[in-house]
Amino acid sequence: AQRVTQPEKLLSVFKGAPVELKCNYSYSGSPELFWYVQYSRQRLQLLLRHISRESIKGFTADLNKGETSFHLKKPFAQEEDSAMYYCALTNQGGKLIFGQGTELSVKP
Amino acid sequence: DAGVTQSPTHLIKTRGQQVTLRCSPKSGHDTVSWYQQALGQGPQFIFQYYEEEERQRGNFPDRFSGHQFPNYSSELNVNALLLGDSALYLCASSLIRGQEGGYTFGSGTRLTVV
Repeated sequence: AQRVTQPEKLLSVFKGAPVELKCNYSYSGSPELFWYVQYSRQRLQLLLRHISRESIKGFTADLNKGETSFHLKKPFAQEEDSAMYYCALTNQGGKLIFGQGTELSVKP
Repeated sequence: DAGVTQSPTHLIKTRGQQVTLRCSPKSGHDTVSWYQQALGQGPQFIFQYYEEEERQRGNFPDRFSGHQFPNYSSELNVNALLLGDSALYLCASSLIRGQEGGYTFGSGTRLTVV
């Protein structure tokens, strides 16, 4: 079955601390992985895609096919990073399968 | 560019009624997908429309139906509403079924069934 698992519902860190949001997936083929972010009162927006290998707002994510993981990392968290983060994968046809989301809270 | 536009923003319906939600995709996008997001959950895929046809469907009953118009806009219809249909309904648009990049989401329609 195709599934995305985000084991943490809430992750709370202090400003300047490293952040790692976990994402594991199950998929029989070669999926495309995404991280989406939703800031307070804003719409869901794409943060990064694994195929582009970009660093957006200091976040990076590496696809580990052996561990079927796509964890999101940032070395130094900022207060403005506080938001809901969703890991998602897509099949060839474009259907997005989302995890349940992790709320990141960065405290001053 | 207004991005993805959804209407209405909020809606209250009674059990058993029917509802229609609307979505205008981002300029240049030709594919529209609909998602249901229950409180505290990630979005769940309902279906996707491309070239005015339903191309993929998630695990939703036939009470959920849709349509895509020649201008790529789309409607989501839900018949015989149940209390469990209360959720945020998101529309996402993309180009060529997502093959040309990511998906742009609308702000959603908050449906409350009473």
